[in-house]
Amino acid sequence: QQQVKQSPQSLIVQKGGISIINCAYENTAFDYFPWYQQFPGKGPALLIAIRPDVSEKKEGRFTISFNKSAKQFSLHIMDSQPGDSATYFCAATPETGANNLFFGTGTRLTVIP
Amino acid sequence: NAGVTQTPKFQVLKTGQSMTLQCAQDMNHNSMYWYRQDPGMGLRLIYYSASEGTTDKGEVPNGYNVSRLNKREFSLRLESAAPSQTSVYFCASSPGRGGSDTQYFGPGTRLTVL
Repeated sequence: QQQVKQSPQSLIVQKGGISIINCAYENTAFDYFPWYQQFPGKGPALLIAIRPDVSEKKEGRFTISFNKSAKQFSLHIMDSQPGDSATYFCAATPETGANNLFFGTGTRLTVIP
Repeated sequence: NAGVTQTPKFQVLKTGQSMTLQCAQDMNHNSMYWYRQDPGMGLRLIYYSASEGTTDKGEVPNGYNVSRLNKREFSLRLESAAPSQTSVYFCASSPGRGGSDTQYFGPGTRLTVL
């Protein structure tokens, strides 16, 4: 059973466009929500993360939007660039008492020049 | 500072063979993890170790064993490989013991079981 549901599976965006990836969860104990970015042949790396006490977090062109009541969160990539082409994973975990990160199934983003 | 290193990068096994995947980190991190990555499944935790001398099962531990040899090294052993274990395996480490710690991943080991 997938603890974190992620969509879409793949996404193609024109350079300069906005990329949006969505995730949903059911476990109300989750209170830390990171996004990881993975380039081909590499391991994932932390991109940005949010805690549910805020509804939005922005770092450069990357923004997480968080809707606690709907148990949904999303990653927005503004002004998407070819260098953003990668696989993106959302994840969730209880902040304390557990080491487990539960990952979504991943979204393969391709940004066309 | 190499971060998290994994050996080997690639491996092909026959069904029933055994092997050990090696992982080491030079960041003095307390926690270490083994994940497998399969198409359409994301990353799934196999085992983790919150500190030297301790290990715990993750989501998919069956068919695997682990050893936290010391603070730096965490190995994953397949005693009798099966085709269902064909996957890309990632080792990761994090400074503390909480789920909100940033995890730092190695480059992965691509394993094929025939």
